[in-house]
Amino acid sequence: AQSVTQLDSQVPVFEEAPVELRCNYSSSVSVYLFWYVQYPNQGLQLLLKYLSGSTLVKGINGFEAEFNKSQTSFHLRKPSVHISDTAEYFCAVSAAGRRALTFGSGTRLQVQP
Amino acid sequence: AAGVIQSPRHLIKEKRETATLKCYPIPRHDTVYWYQQGPGQDPQFLISFYEKMQSDKGSIPDRFSAQQFSDYHSELNMSSLELGDSALYFCASSLGGGGETQYFGPGTRLLVL
Repeated sequence: AQSVTQLDSQVPVFEEAPVELRCNYSSSVSVYLFWYVQYPNQGLQLLLKYLSGSTLVKGINGFEAEFNKSQTSFHLRKPSVHISDTAEYFCAVSAAGRRALTFGSGTRLQVQP
Repeated sequence: AAGVIQSPRHLIKEKRETATLKCYPIPRHDTVYWYQQGPGQDPQFLISFYEKMQSDKGSIPDRFSAQQFSDYHSELNMSSLELGDSALYFCASSLGGGGETQYFGPGTRLLVL
């Protein structure tokens, strides 16, 4: 089984500041890693994913994440946030070969002017 | 581009009633997933179908059943509804599995009174 831990439930940050949302996972098998964003009253939208290859993954809206196998982490970063980035961010894993996503508890990013 | 369609978007039921949620995947996608997101919770995987056969099963209660039809749409049937079933129910679809991106619908918000 896999599990995901998002270390921060809320992250307040000022507009144009950098941000890092932390995600750690555990699994006894190889996994695929994902970050999804959920805006209020909307579905989940994929930001980026890591399947294999380069450990630095670039996604939409200027976000990127780095896979660190030794630390079992997949932290999400953005060098300069906007008010419109205010949303809930979910880290998720799926075991290679399986299909279901296991989500973390989410991090609420609050961008303040 | 076509997205995942879910109906209804909102549903209010009484305890012990039944409910049917529908999901129409993105055209040509062969895999459908159902997730349940309780208030302030992360999405929990319920069940998935690949080519009309159940492919994976998560924390789906025995009171719930689901199927995927020949046109690839899926229905989640919920019986003997309980107050705790109040949640946002997401459907997602993908083309294949094993790391392929799951595209989420807008969700059906179910309220059980």
